[in-house]
Amino acid sequence: EPEVTQTPSHQVTQMGQEVILRCVPISNHLYFYWYRQILGQKVEFLVSFYNNEISEKSEIFDDQFSVERPDGSNFTLKIRSTKLEDSAMYFCASSRVGGISNQPQHFGDGTRLSIL
Amino acid sequence: AQKITQTQPGMFVQEKEAVTLDCTYDTSDPSYGLFWYKQPSSGEMIFLIYQGSYDQQNATEGRYSLNFQKARKSANLVISASQLGDSAMYFCAMREGQRGFQKLVFGTGTRLLVSP
Repeated sequence: EPEVTQTPSHQVTQMGQEVILRCVPISNHLYFYWYRQILGQKVEFLVSFYNNEISEKSEIFDDQFSVERPDGSNFTLKIRSTKLEDSAMYFCASSRVGGISNQPQHFGDGTRLSIL
Repeated sequence: AQKITQTQPGMFVQEKEAVTLDCTYDTSDPSYGLFWYKQPSSGEMIFLIYQGSYDQQNATEGRYSLNFQKARKSANLVISASQLGDSAMYFCAMREGQRGFQKLVFGTGTRLLVSP
């Protein structure tokens, strides 16, 4: 069964450094998402992306964050200048259709980001 | 107000018994979808089951079923014949509206422990 893949599985970065998290969504999916989960807390929405543009973003997704789909397969999340509070598990998700349907968002296994 | 409320931080069940994980939601939109995801200790998010607001019947997927009570705004997950591998965090999530690419809003989760 096709799946969403994320790389790396674990990223350790110094505070202030830029980090890029990578995702390959399921190939026939059109909608892409990033979520994060701070350790021991609930999953929080960051951003959704469709037709090569951001469709919605949360308050967390400030100017330090950006997303890109550079080549039609990869979907990346960039944090320009990382802060300690960016430490979390970051999940990429994709779905074939949006709106009210029984199509779920399929999640990748996540990238654990640790900021030192 | 919380959109998704999971009041049980932890639940214990013996193998082969059934268990119900509670989820209540808050929305004024008549169109919405409810999802349950499983998160094992390895961290990935696994889709389990979906219930649409207009679905006439409760959703079922193998050993998972959803006790959907629309008037009470509850969507409880029932796991029948629990297995040791069911030990994990379980998250209830909601998608509101009819537009495409709506975000998921998650609850705080319930940690289920299945004992032999």
